[in-house]
Amino acid sequence: EIVLTQSPGTLSLSPGERATLSCRASQNVDSSYLAWYQQKPGQAPSLLIYGASSRATGIPDRFSGSGSGTDFTLTISRLEPEDFAVYYCQQFGSSPRTFGQGTKVEIK
Amino acid sequence: QLQLQESGPGLVKPSETLSLTCTVSDGSIGSSNYYWGWIRQPPGKGLEWIATESYSGNTYYNPSLKSRVTISVDTSSNQFSLKVRSVTAADTAVYYCARRVAGRPFEYWGQGTLVTVSS
Repeated sequence: EIVLTQSPGTLSLSPGERATLSCRASQNVDSSYLAWYQQKPGQAPSLLIYGASSRATGIPDRFSGSGSGTDFTLTISRLEPEDFAVYYCQQFGSSPRTFGQGTKVEIK
Repeated sequence: QLQLQESGPGLVKPSETLSLTCTVSDGSIGSSNYYWGWIRQPPGKGLEWIATESYSGNTYYNPSLKSRVTISVDTSSNQFSLKVRSVTAADTAVYYCARRVAGRPFEYWGQGTLVTVSS
C-alpha cells in the first residue's frame, strides 16, 4: 500500500499569502495518477488537480500542482477567503487507492 | 449536470449489514468509460477509498475491507450500491458515492450520508 504523508498538518496564513502544501509518497507514484482535493466543512471533497498538475474544470489558476516520483506539491498563489479548507492528495494508480491525511489551511 | 445522491439508514446495529444506494441523475450509469465508487470518512478524520466498479463490471476493493463489502451497479434503476457486512463502531462514517472517468480521479461526488453504528 502506498502511504501518502501530507505536511504540514495545519497551515496558518492570511488572505493574499501563498500556500505551499506537500504530499510525500512511500513509493513512486505515476504523476498521471496523483490528484488533489479541497474539502470544506460539511461538504464532499472537490477535485482541484489531476495528473499532478492539471487543473480540473472551473478551478482558478491560483491553484497549481507540481512534482513527480514521491514528492508532490499543491500551491495556492494568493489565498482567497474561500480557499481556507482542508486539502487532500490521492494516488489512484495502485491498489488500494489511498489519500493523505490532509492539510488544513486556516486563517491566521 | 450530474448529481449523485446517497440514501440508506443512518443508524445500523453492530454485527448487522450496512446498505447504501447511490442514485445517478443523468442516466450515465450504463455508459462506457465510467467508474462508480464509494469512499468514506469517519467523523473528524480523513478519507478512505472502499470500492469501485467499472462500466464493464470489474470490481476493485480496498483489501482492508474486501472480505466484508460488495459493490454493485444496477443500470436498470440508474443506481449503484454498497453493502458492508458485520459492521462495528469503526464503520461509523460519512459515506460518499462518486464517479470517475478511466484514468482520472473521482470528479463527481454525492453530498455524503452519515451512517452511525450503534446499538
